[in-house]
Amino acid sequence: GQQLNQSPQSMFIQEGEDVSMNCTSSSIFNTWLWYKQDPGEGPVLLIALYKAGELTSNGRLTAQFGITRKDSFLNISASIPSDVGIYFCAGSVNNTDKLIFGTGTRLQVFP
Amino acid sequence: ETGVTQTPRHLVMGMTNKKSLKCEQHLGHNAMYWYKQSAKKPLELMFVYSLEERVENNSVPSRFSPECPNSSHLFLHLHTLQPEDSALYLCASSQDWMAGPGPYEQYFGPGTRLTVT
Repeated sequence: GQQLNQSPQSMFIQEGEDVSMNCTSSSIFNTWLWYKQDPGEGPVLLIALYKAGELTSNGRLTAQFGITRKDSFLNISASIPSDVGIYFCAGSVNNTDKLIFGTGTRLQVFP
Repeated sequence: ETGVTQTPRHLVMGMTNKKSLKCEQHLGHNAMYWYKQSAKKPLELMFVYSLEERVENNSVPSRFSPECPNSSHLFLHLHTLQPEDSALYLCASSQDWMAGPGPYEQYFGPGTRLTVT
């Protein structure tokens, strides 16, 4: 079945640093979503992408829909302690399809 | 904050118990989902309801029984569970593409942490 490979699996960074993570698929997706999950909570939608090449920002977060339609990237600038959590990518082939989730990137931010 | 609530937040049950998880969405969506989240595994889709009809059942054991009485409420009835069913159970909702224009992003509740002893 379809799989999403998310990397890195975990990151340990210092407050103020920029962060990059990515998600790759073995097949083409037409929708990419990025979620963040805090401990003991459900995933919260951060950014939704619908067009190849699209670059979308949400505050310090920027996500891109890869040109090949097989990948997506999430960047966090000037990280702060509340950025700690697990970041998930999710994709679907089209709006009628279920979402496929990546395995997550665990982010730790040290002051 | 997300408009999707789940109760209870934590549940401990024995293998012979019967319990139910409840989900309610206040977003005006018409599709609802149950997911299972286990440690170090991707989110696993269990059931999908669209316009109150079950449209997907991902080979989930019959000890899990969903119910969707209306577009705002979703239940997951549990009976004779196994210890390996211990996990975080997440409910989500979205607009359904068949029911009109998007966006179609899924919004999640906080989850129910289930422990089967």
